[in-house]
Amino acid sequence: NAGVTQTPKFQVLKTGQSMTLQCAQDMNHNSMYWYRQDPGMGLRLIYYSASEGTTDKGEVPNGYNVSRLNKREFSLRLESAAPSQTSVYFCATGTGGSIRGYTFGSGTRLTVV
Amino acid sequence: GQQLNQSPQSMFIQEGEDVSMNCTSSSIFNTWLWYKQDPGEGPVLLIALYKAGELTSNGRLTAQFGITRKDSFLNISASIPSDVGIYFCAGLNYGGSQGNLIFGKGTKLSVKP
Repeated sequence: NAGVTQTPKFQVLKTGQSMTLQCAQDMNHNSMYWYRQDPGMGLRLIYYSASEGTTDKGEVPNGYNVSRLNKREFSLRLESAAPSQTSVYFCATGTGGSIRGYTFGSGTRLTVV
Repeated sequence: GQQLNQSPQSMFIQEGEDVSMNCTSSSIFNTWLWYKQDPGEGPVLLIALYKAGELTSNGRLTAQFGITRKDSFLNISASIPSDVGIYFCAGLNYGGSQGNLIFGKGTKLSVKP
């Protein structure tokens, strides 16, 4: 099925541990995005990649790094997880100036204890 | 940066009732989008609006692109239990600095059978 695949779906980390959230798309979209969703805060942009080889900070980039490995894959890394990073993380893709909106993955639910 | 004010924040209604929600901004947008997020899933695009004044329907959903280009409305007629979820508006400005799409904080809809 065409779409955006995120792994893992669930993760529990201890404070200070590191991990990488993976995102892969088979829609041939140029742009990819990482969002976090917290209750009452909506979707906040962490990082995005307008095209392969480029990445830019979004609204809340602190504590995260990203890698646009190729056109299909865009990963989000937490180097030293903190409880404030407990959230649901969504990857999204877009193309054509995004006038058709973004396609979202089903999310990764991360808990940092 | 640009912000969207989405209201109401939450709604608790009886099955069969009509629902209205809206988004406003101090900035002009070229495109308005409405998404729905089912519990445990990523947002899915419902309706896209491309011209000021445009009125578009998708089944029981109707959305309008405000004449001033600073607002948009979503109406759901004769609500049913499966309408439960979070509805997000999103505005698009071509060439925006933080990715392209700006999201509202969402309207959480609960439907009582």
